[in-house]
Amino acid sequence: EIVMTQSPATLSVSPGERATLSCRASQSVSSSLAWYQQKPGQAPRLLIYDASTRATGIPARFSGIGSGTEFTLTIFSLQSEDFAVYYCQQYNNWPPYSFGQGTKLEIK
Amino acid sequence: EVQLVESGGGLVQPGGSLRLSCAASGFSFSTYDMHWVRQATGKGLEWVSAIGTVGDTYYSGSVKGRFTISREDAKNSLYLQMNSLRAEDTAVYYCARERITRTLGEAFDIWGQGTMVTVSS
Repeated sequence: EIVMTQSPATLSVSPGERATLSCRASQSVSSSLAWYQQKPGQAPRLLIYDASTRATGIPARFSGIGSGTEFTLTIFSLQSEDFAVYYCQQYNNWPPYSFGQGTKLEIK
Repeated sequence: EVQLVESGGGLVQPGGSLRLSCAASGFSFSTYDMHWVRQATGKGLEWVSAIGTVGDTYYSGSVKGRFTISREDAKNSLYLQMNSLRAEDTAVYYCARERITRTLGEAFDIWGQGTMVTVSS
């Protein structure tokens, strides 16, 4: 089973600045990596799939990069609506479709 | 509008059973692989089960042998039969759609709003 590890657990960033979130896989997942955003009381929303492709309707300030075991989600020029919890997920080697434990992005 | 709507959650005693449903609309349900994902309060996302378009099923180790996923394409519906429930099964249960038709092993692009399952005496 592939274990996904996200860091940091909590990230404090000021609006307008850049946030960088990391996700590491315990073994290679190629580019089969997704990022989701979840706000309190809401379902997760797909942001990025295949490590770097933005999902439909996702603003260009969200950028994903990586392959193999190391992945990064960068959010440029943070907006108020971007403060949420972010999860990575691998879908290369399943079952299970492993999720990371999440990174909470909070306002500094 | 593409939509998934879960129902069937509630309070159940340990050892009891519950059946969750997920009603799909706005897309060709029969051509998509579907999943259940759960989230305990204040915790992260945990994949539970998947079903392919031809009825092939997959489970996480924590629910295998206790939960059964199924689908009824004529009714655009996904189900999760949960038996021998434990306190640790308490969570919000989401149904989710895979992004690409007829191809297991993809991201989940559509999620329902979730239904709460509480296992407690």
